[in-house]
Amino acid sequence: DIQMTQSPSSLSASVGDRVTITCRASQSIGSYLNWYQQKPGKAPKILISVASMLQSGVPSRFSGSGSGTDFTLTISSLQPEDFATYYCQQSYSNFRSFGQGTKLEIK
Amino acid sequence: EVQLVESGGGSVQPGGSLRLSCEASGFTLSNYWMTWVRQAPGKGLEWVADIKEDGTERYCVDSVKGRFIISRDNAKNSLFLQMNGLRVEDTAVYFCARDDYTGTGARPYYYMDVWGKGTTVTVSS
Repeated sequence: DIQMTQSPSSLSASVGDRVTITCRASQSIGSYLNWYQQKPGKAPKILISVASMLQSGVPSRFSGSGSGTDFTLTISSLQPEDFATYYCQQSYSNFRSFGQGTKLEIK
Repeated sequence: EVQLVESGGGSVQPGGSLRLSCEASGFTLSNYWMTWVRQAPGKGLEWVADIKEDGTERYCVDSVKGRFIISRDNAKNSLFLQMNGLRVEDTAVYFCARDDYTGTGARPYYYMDVWGKGTTVTVSS
C-alpha cells in the first residue's frame, strides 16, 4: 500500500502569509495527487487534482506542484477563510490513501 | 443540484452490524466510481472502500476487509456500505463521495469532487 506523509502536522500563520505544505508518497505516483480542504464539522472540499490542476471556483492563491514522490500545496497570501485542515490523497493505486492532514491555525 | 445524502448511522455494540446508504441526486450515478471515506473523532480522513460504475470492481482498506461490503444500486441512485463485525475503532463519521476524473486513456486521474455531509457510526459497549 502507498503511504502518504504530510509535513508539518500543524502550522501557525498569519493573514497575508505565504504557506507551503508538503506531501510525500512512499513510492512514485506520477501526478496522481489531490489536495482537499476540510473545515470543522464539514465534509472535505477538493482544491487541486492531478497535482497542480486548480478546481473550478478555488481561489488562485492556492497552487500545487510536484510529481513522483514529492508534492507541495502553497497558499500565496492566507485569508481568514483558509484556516482549516488540508489533506493530500493519492489516486495512483486502487487502494486510495490520504495523508494524515495539516492543521493550519491562526497565529 | 448535485447532492449526496448519507443515512443509516447509529450506535451499535461491538460485533454488531449497520448498513449505510448514500442517495445521489442531480447526476447519473452509473457514470461514476463511488467511495466511502471515514473520519474517527479528532482524527484524519481514511479511505474505506470504492466501487466501479457497474459494480464489477471493488476495493477496500485492509482494516475492513472481510467485514465491510460496498455495493450500489444504480437504478435506485444509491450506494451502500454493509458493515459487519463492528469494532470500537470503526467509530467515525462516514462520508460518501463521488469520484470524478480527468484525462483519457487507460489511467484517468480520479478525485473526489462531491461529498455528502456524513453519517455518524458509534461502536461502544
